[in-house]
Amino acid sequence: DQQVKQNSPSLSVQEGRISILNCDYTNSMFDYFLWYKKYPAEGPTFLISISSIKDKNEDGRFTVFLNKSAKHLSLHIVPSQPGDSAVYFCAASYTGNQFYFGTGTSLTVIP
Amino acid sequence: DAGITQSPRHKVTETGTPVTLRCHQTENHRYMYWYRQDPGHGLRLIHYSYGVKDTDKGEVSDGYSVSRSKTEDFLLTLESATSSQTSVYFCAISEKYEQYFGPGTRLTVT
Repeated sequence: DQQVKQNSPSLSVQEGRISILNCDYTNSMFDYFLWYKKYPAEGPTFLISISSIKDKNEDGRFTVFLNKSAKHLSLHIVPSQPGDSAVYFCAASYTGNQFYFGTGTSLTVIP
Repeated sequence: DAGITQSPRHKVTETGTPVTLRCHQTENHRYMYWYRQDPGHGLRLIHYSYGVKDTDKGEVSDGYSVSRSKTEDFLLTLESATSSQTSVYFCAISEKYEQYFGPGTRLTVT
């Protein structure tokens, strides 16, 4: 049973516009959420995270929003760049040492 | 980049043969993980370790065993490989929360 879901397998966005990637979860015990970016033939790399005590965290062009009541988080990338084209995974944890990943969203930024 | 290496990077093996994948870290992180990545499933945890000789099962542990005799090495063993274990395997390390992943091992079981 998938506890973390990314319902959009793919997303295409024009360069310079905003990319919004969504993630839903079912386990209310999750207290830490992360986003990873993955290029082909490479391992995932950590992008940004958020604790459940916050509802927003920013790092440069990347912002993660957390809506605990809806069990929903989103990653905003503004402005989108062609180098952002990759697969994005969201992940969640309630122990700090075991993580549950979504199925990923493939983002294509069109120049 | 975190110092994580995986070996081999690619392997083709036959059904029924044993296979061992190695993960090596130079960061002295406490936690080490093995995941598999499959289309439509994302990353799924196989086993993880929270210290030397301390391991626990993940959500897809059947058919896999692990060992950690040194802080820096975490081995994943397929005792008798099956075609359903064809996948890309990633090792990861962490101290707390943020994980750092290795480059992956592509395993094909024919």
